Amino acid sequence: GQNIDQPTEMTATEGAIVQINCTYQTSGFNGLFWYQQHAGEAPTFLSYNVLDGLEEKGRFSSFLSRSKGYSYLLLKELQMKDSASYLCAVYDSNYQLIWGAGTKLIIKP
Amino acid sequence: GAVVSQHPSRVICKSGTSVKIECRSLDFQATTMFWYRQFPKQSLMLMATSNEGSKATYEQGVEKDKFLINHASLTLSTLTVTSAHPEDSSFYICSARNVGLAGTGPQETQYFGPGTRLLVL
Repeated sequence: GQNIDQPTEMTATEGAIVQINCTYQTSGFNGLFWYQQHAGEAPTFLSYNVLDGLEEKGRFSSFLSRSKGYSYLLLKELQMKDSASYLCAVYDSNYQLIWGAGTKLIIKP
Repeated sequence: GAVVSQHPSRVICKSGTSVKIECRSLDFQATTMFWYRQFPKQSLMLMATSNEGSKATYEQGVEKDKFLINHASLTLSTLTVTSAHPEDSSFYICSARNVGLAGTGPQETQYFGPGTRLLVL
């Protein structure tokens, strides 16, 4: 079967750095997405990786290793507004988007 | 760019009535749109994939006669919850696949509408 694993919940301190991991096992791979979802709102697109390596976008960076079936989302200089769920999703060989259950990130002052 | 709207944002209805939710891609053409449902504190659940000009593809366990999907144009898909019951109360979110709109993200990215919160009394 197809599976995406990410931690259920993480806690970090305002101003710190946090890394949210995602491992995947899918039938084929056509890219990995990270979305942010605040409580009661729809997801918003954060990043996309299809090649190995690190993609940096402001305070957020996303890393991909296709050989390891592994990605992480790195958030720097955490702000209270970063408290949200972070969803990892992978396109399989048929461009079906397989979703992880999401990681709830709690930021403490 | 890559903006998706949904209407209404919130609806309360009586049991047995039908509710229509609209999903529009505002600045791009979306040949494919997706309908999701999300219960509180749970993951997104894909209900169906909607292709312009053809019948929607429903996920296993989703009743196609209860959740009617119409994708009549490249910018509009509608979801109609027929004979709604309290257990249909949920957060319904659509997304549209943005293929080829330069500068707004990689191809195949799904952009989400703001969601519709349905409460059936």
